[in-house]
Amino acid sequence: GEDVEQSLFLSVREGDSSVINCTYTDSSSTYLYWYKQEPGAGLQLLTYIFSNMDMKQDQRLTVLLNKKDKHLSLRIADTQTGDSAIYFCAERAYSSASKIIFGSGTRLSIRP
Amino acid sequence: SQTIHQWPATLVQPVGSPLSLECTVEGTSNPNLYWYRQAAGRGLQLLFYSVGIGQISSEVPQNLSASRPQDRQFILSSKKLLLSDSGFYLCAWSVRRGSVNTEAFFGQGTRLTVV
Repeated sequence: GEDVEQSLFLSVREGDSSVINCTYTDSSSTYLYWYKQEPGAGLQLLTYIFSNMDMKQDQRLTVLLNKKDKHLSLRIADTQTGDSAIYFCAERAYSSASKIIFGSGTRLSIRP
Repeated sequence: SQTIHQWPATLVQPVGSPLSLECTVEGTSNPNLYWYRQAAGRGLQLLFYSVGIGQISSEVPQNLSASRPQDRQFILSSKKLLLSDSGFYLCAWSVRRGSVNTEAFFGQGTRLTVV
């Protein structure tokens, strides 16, 4: 079955890079997503990567996909206080393409 | 443009009372619809999803049910709430473009506290 795992917490200094990691189990995953959730709010899509790509860059965000190891990461360059949030990794499996399975979320906190 | 409405934003209900949360989507046709729950300190759990009117897939056995009476309406219900039903409930939608399903777009969520 599908499973997505993330570490629960990450603390970084303002201005440093943040790297949030995610592993998934379904090798047939087609799309992998990163969402951001600010306190008390819904989820906003940050970026996504198709499974035939290794890397995607969008301004301060870089997504790396290692399909062999089923490992996905999100790098946020020059982390700012506004980046404090919970970051969710999610996958859409080809075998059940209507379902989107989320990880537990990583709470990113920024220290001065 | 497409929008999703979810209400109410917060709800406090006694144990044993019924529940009805509603979600509607505007600006798109035949969306996939989802109900997720986020319990305190935990991740996002997929509860139900629907690919069409009257078609509901349940992901986990629980005290809740879902219905889709209209194309763009998704309802989450319970006949008798339990304390463990407390959490943050999120509705989401996605659409199929050809053979590809898009990413999910989320509502603002309903915080349910069962007391």
